[in-house]
Amino acid sequence: DIQMTQSPSSLSASVGDRVTITCRASQRINNYLNWYQQRPGKAPNLLIYAASTLQSGVPSRFSGSGSGTDFTLTISSLQPEDFATYYCQQSYSVPRTFGHGTKVEIK
Amino acid sequence: EVQLVQSGAEVKKPGESLKISCQGSEDTFTGYWIGWVRQMPGKGLEWMGIIFPGDSDTKYSPSFQGQVTISADKSSRTAYLQWSSLRASDTAMYYCARRGGSRGFYYFDQWGQGTLVTVSS
Repeated sequence: DIQMTQSPSSLSASVGDRVTITCRASQRINNYLNWYQQRPGKAPNLLIYAASTLQSGVPSRFSGSGSGTDFTLTISSLQPEDFATYYCQQSYSVPRTFGHGTKVEIK
Repeated sequence: EVQLVQSGAEVKKPGESLKISCQGSEDTFTGYWIGWVRQMPGKGLEWMGIIFPGDSDTKYSPSFQGQVTISADKSSRTAYLQWSSLRASDTAMYYCARRGGSRGFYYFDQWGQGTLVTVSS
């Protein structure tokens, strides 16, 4: 299985901050990388696929980059509704493993 | 809009069997793969497996192969996840999700609301 390692596991930030979350794959996955947001008590929601393509309806303050083994999710200006847990997922091979998540909390 | 509606919460005893369901709201359900994701209490997401209801082609994560069975009934647009003998460690929220995308760029773009399974003596 491909292992996905996210960092940090949690962070504290303020509204308006720029936030960056990283995800590293245990082997090269080209750009087969997705990002999801999960708010407490809710199902996950797709933000980005193919490493950098914004899912329809997702605000433009979210962006993704990277290829190979190293990827980032950036929130350009954190909004109150962005406090949630974020997961990366590789779609290179089955099983399509997730990272362990990054919890974004209010400072 | 495709919606996935999952069956309700379950409380079971160790050793009991269980089958939970996920029903799609549109005929296009059969044109998509439907996956299952586990989330243990306070933990992250785990990809369990996926099925194509059109022909019941199924792929499992090695971590879940032999532990659960994924099936589907295309006529009722329903996917299932079942256990023959539950353990306390199966206590978790289980989500179904539709696989979107193409040419390897696959993702879960629609999710069910989740089914909470509690296994306790």
